[in-house]
Amino acid sequence: EPEVTQTPSHQVTQMGQEVILRCVPISNHLYFYWYRQILGQKVEFLVSFYNNEISEKSEIFDDQFSVERPDGSNFTLKIRSTKLEDSAMYFCASSEEGTAPLHFGNGTRLTVT
Amino acid sequence: KQEVTQIPAALSVPEGENLVLNCSFTDSAIYNLQWFRQDPGKGLTSLLLIQSSQREQTSGRLNASLDKSSGRSTLYIAASQPGDSATYLCAVRMDSSYKLIFGSGTRLLVRP
Repeated sequence: EPEVTQTPSHQVTQMGQEVILRCVPISNHLYFYWYRQILGQKVEFLVSFYNNEISEKSEIFDDQFSVERPDGSNFTLKIRSTKLEDSAMYFCASSEEGTAPLHFGNGTRLTVT
Repeated sequence: KQEVTQIPAALSVPEGENLVLNCSFTDSAIYNLQWFRQDPGKGLTSLLLIQSSQREQTSGRLNASLDKSSGRSTLYIAASQPGDSATYLCAVRMDSSYKLIFGSGTRLLVRP
């Protein structure tokens, strides 16, 4: 069964460094998302992306964050200058269309020291 | 602002029991509701999606119901098995929005 893949599974970075989280959504899906889950807290929406542009973003998704679909298969989340509070599990998801079920990857655990 | 609540936070049952997980939401203007399963250190696996016009969805031993007007959904698991042990999350999507709003989950342990 097709799945969403994320790399790396765990990323450790120092405060102030840039980090790029990578995702390969399911190939025929058109909508892409990033969510995060801080340890012990709820899963939170960050951003949705369709037709090569952001369709919706949350208050968390400030100027430090950006997303890109650099080619036909990858979808990336960049954090320009990481803070301690960015430490979380970051999940990528995709869906066939906007109302269809979301399929999530296994996540990237980001640790900012 | 939409708030999604799941009760109970944790549940431990012996194998074979039928069980019900609850999800409530404060704003009934939802587009759909999705139930997920999350295993430790893993991503979320979609279990069932109910559109706002539907009352229930079934997949194998799972049945999810939706009462939009009262702001409630239940996930019924029949004949529970140890392999069902996981955290179960519900999430709602509002009209005119792409984002899912998640509850905090119910952590289920099915004892052999």
